[in-house]
Amino acid sequence: GPKVLQIPSHQIIDMGQMVTLNCDPVSNHLYFYWYKQILGQQMEFLVNFYNGKVMEKSKLFKDQFSVERPDGSYFTLKIQPTALEDSAVYFCASSLEDTNTLYFGAGTRLSVL
Amino acid sequence: QQKVQQSPESLIVPEGGMASLNCTSSDRNVDYFWWYRQHSGKSPKMLMSIFSNGEKEEGRFTVHLNKASLHTSLHIRDSQPSDSALYLCAVNTNTGKLTFGDGTVLTVKP
Repeated sequence: GPKVLQIPSHQIIDMGQMVTLNCDPVSNHLYFYWYKQILGQQMEFLVNFYNGKVMEKSKLFKDQFSVERPDGSYFTLKIQPTALEDSAVYFCASSLEDTNTLYFGAGTRLSVL
Repeated sequence: QQKVQQSPESLIVPEGGMASLNCTSSDRNVDYFWWYRQHSGKSPKMLMSIFSNGEKEEGRFTVHLNKASLHTSLHIRDSQPSDSALYLCAVNTNTGKLTFGDGTVLTVKP
């Protein structure tokens, strides 16, 4: 089936550093999403993105977070600066339309030390 | 307040048995109900979706929806060890933003 690729699979950084999580969505998809899952806890919506713009974001999407997809390249989530509570698995997803099935990547496990 | 409640939290069924998972939304604005399956350390994968009242069957999997009570259930017959996973119920309105429940951990014992 359609695949969403996430790079890297695991990232370890020191608190206060910047990190960029990369996502290669399904090629013809138009809507992109980031979700956060802390181990053993709920999958929580962060942000969705369409046509170069953030459509909706949750309260978890702090001011230190930003997303972009320059010129059809990777869809990225940048955290600057990182905090300890940012440690989680971040899942990227994409869909063809906003009410279609979301396809998820395998996640990036972020460990902030 | 949790908008999507799933029960039970965990479930153990014997191989070949029937597994029944429940999910209720507290948001009356939701239109779409989804079931995702997430094997340990893997990405969630959409299993089934249901948008109108009634029942939908795909192979060993059956999903029911009662929109009046905002309740959906997933039933897996002839459960296999490979069905062991975290089952996530998710809902959305007319946007792609999915709200997930905490999930049900299903273990199928050989």
